[in-house]
Amino acid sequence: GAVVSQHPSWVICKSGTSVKIECRSLDFQATTMFWYRQFPKQSLMLMATSNEGSKATYEQGVEKDKFLINHASLTLSTLTVTSAHPEDSSFYICSVLLRDTIYFGEGSWLTVV
Amino acid sequence: GQQLNQSPQSMFIQEGEDVSMNCTSSSIFNTWLWYKQDPGEGPVLLIALYKAGELTSNGRLTAQFGTTRKDSFLNISASIPSDVGIYFCAGQLRQGAQKLVFGQGTRLTINP
Repeated sequence: GAVVSQHPSWVICKSGTSVKIECRSLDFQATTMFWYRQFPKQSLMLMATSNEGSKATYEQGVEKDKFLINHASLTLSTLTVTSAHPEDSSFYICSVLLRDTIYFGEGSWLTVV
Repeated sequence: GQQLNQSPQSMFIQEGEDVSMNCTSSSIFNTWLWYKQDPGEGPVLLIALYKAGELTSNGRLTAQFGTTRKDSFLNISASIPSDVGIYFCAGQLRQGAQKLVFGQGTRLTINP
């Protein structure tokens, strides 16, 4: 069965607004989750590591004030794209580690209009 | 950042043909993973390799962890239409490491 779930699967928002994407681990606790971004026909790019109870660790070049990550519980991490612009339109995917193997969520399509 | 070299970038084959793709790296990885991604969905784990030289099968899929720990290949036998998608290799610098390094992906297209 599924290990991790994302919501929503797709979202459309207006420029300047903020949008939140949720990543939930199913039936287990995940102290660490990862957020990736994927542009069409490209590989996954790690954006940040979400740590339960502490600040997220961002990869070089990723704006932490733009992409807010909150890991308030052991089963939920959220990615908030603030003041979204059309260039933020992308496919966002989270992942978790379970028994030495990394599993991915279904992904969330964000379209900023 | 660090990246795996995956080839080929795309493949166009006839249904029933076998497929082979590989990944190489200048760094040593302790775990190799192969994922398949369908359009609009997250990657799904196909095969995980934990030991150098390990050969593992999952149905029509076979993957091997190179003995140098710097490469891996994935073979698909007797391809079927549902094999269409993008295949990614990924490496973990150590078993259980939470960060993955990804290949660029191999886009597989199958002509019926």
